[in-house]
Amino acid sequence: NAGVTQTPKFQVLKTGQSMTLQCAQDMNHEYMSWYRQDPGMGLRLIHYSVGAGITDQGEVPNGYNVSRSTTEDFPLRLLSAAPSQTSVYFCASRQLGDRSYEQYFGPGTRLTVT
Amino acid sequence: AQSVTQLGSHVSVSEGALVLLRCNYSSSVPPYLFWYVQYPNQGLQLLLKYTTGATLVKGINGFEAEFKKSETSFHLTKPSAHMSDAAEYFCAVSDEGSQGNLIFGKGTKLSVKP
Repeated sequence: NAGVTQTPKFQVLKTGQSMTLQCAQDMNHEYMSWYRQDPGMGLRLIHYSVGAGITDQGEVPNGYNVSRSTTEDFPLRLLSAAPSQTSVYFCASRQLGDRSYEQYFGPGTRLTVT
Repeated sequence: AQSVTQLGSHVSVSEGALVLLRCNYSSSVPPYLFWYVQYPNQGLQLLLKYTTGATLVKGINGFEAEFKKSETSFHLTKPSAHMSDAAEYFCAVSDEGSQGNLIFGKGTKLSVKP
């Protein structure tokens, strides 16, 4: 199993540009989520999904869109990038029936918006 | 609402000394508690977790943590620090009512002096 994979690893955008951060998992996990990590802030939840066609907002959803058309993929879209979205983005997944609630994290995407 | 407080954004210890990283949480329901480690420019790796049962939890790399409900704490310890323990450590909380979404503390950066 590859686990949770994220592409790209690094990305530089100009203000106003759009892009999609890709996340895929091969563990058949129903739950997937996106977090952003900023220095001194820990990780904060952006959006999450508990299955195909079902998404919900987390703590910091503004400026980000998500959709879940398959179990495997959970892309994060920035429609009009802003410097405040400069961050490291992590995708995570878990099995809904797993009572341990353990989430498996991808390697991250480092995004810089100039 | 859940929250996590990690006391000390930076902790420095000498090699061979005790490591103690503090984590306090707030939750109105029984919590699930996690410690994650992040090495420089890498993703998050689960160190250990508490869900139910034994309150002293052992993890990887010689770390352990004790869930103390009366103190709402889940401090991370290791008897003898190694240079390779230098990293950032994150405490996180979840519960059954939140779809397993994680609330992270702001992190503690551990330095180990030779």
